[in-house]
Amino acid sequence: DAGVIQSPRHEVTEMGQEVTLRCKPISGHDYLFWYRQTMMRGLELLIYFNNNVPIDDSGMPEDRFSAKMPNASFSTLKIQPSEPRDSAVYFCASSFLRRSRAGELFFGEGSRLTVL
Amino acid sequence: GIQVEQSPPDLILQEGANSTLRCNFSDSVNNLQWFHQNPWGQLINLFYIPSGTKQNGRLSATTVATERYSLLYISSSQTTDSGVYFCAVSDRGSTLGRLYFGRGTQLTVWP
Repeated sequence: DAGVIQSPRHEVTEMGQEVTLRCKPISGHDYLFWYRQTMMRGLELLIYFNNNVPIDDSGMPEDRFSAKMPNASFSTLKIQPSEPRDSAVYFCASSFLRRSRAGELFFGEGSRLTVL
Repeated sequence: GIQVEQSPPDLILQEGANSTLRCNFSDSVNNLQWFHQNPWGQLINLFYIPSGTKQNGRLSATTVATERYSLLYISSSQTTDSGVYFCAVSDRGSTLGRLYFGRGTQLTVWP
């Protein structure tokens, strides 16, 4: 089975530009998560969805960040306008609820964003 | 949210050595996972282990939920074991699936 697929793998952009990161979760998974990883803050949860509905976006740093999940197989994380401090690796992850292994998380390969 | 502390923060080993990584957490958990982030940045599941003991090849893990800690054992380490090992937990009060990560243990294995 295909894992979580993210694109682009690398993005270099200039401050002020719009950035869109994409994610395709594992088929059949009903939870989708966006994480950000930096040296200073480690891995931090930005937002997660259950059955395409945003459940908790308290980790989204500010209004410049938005995330959508229009269907079960696709999600986007958008930053507009981007700033240098947004430079990080953004991970998408998915999981599904089942009685014996609730919440086991599988990560994509990440999107490395550099904002100049 | 729940606090997750990992130790040691850094570990340097000679190939063939054994090691133990520790994860302490501040509250009862309903989910605990160990991940390996390889030098290319990929986060790979090692174990889903909210309680008990599991083994997978040279790696094994034990979680003692009542005492709020988990241990990851690496035996006969190899250079490919290098990377960062993360422990992540979900507490009983939070929605299933939301994980809190420790800061990781950076493991370097020399040939």
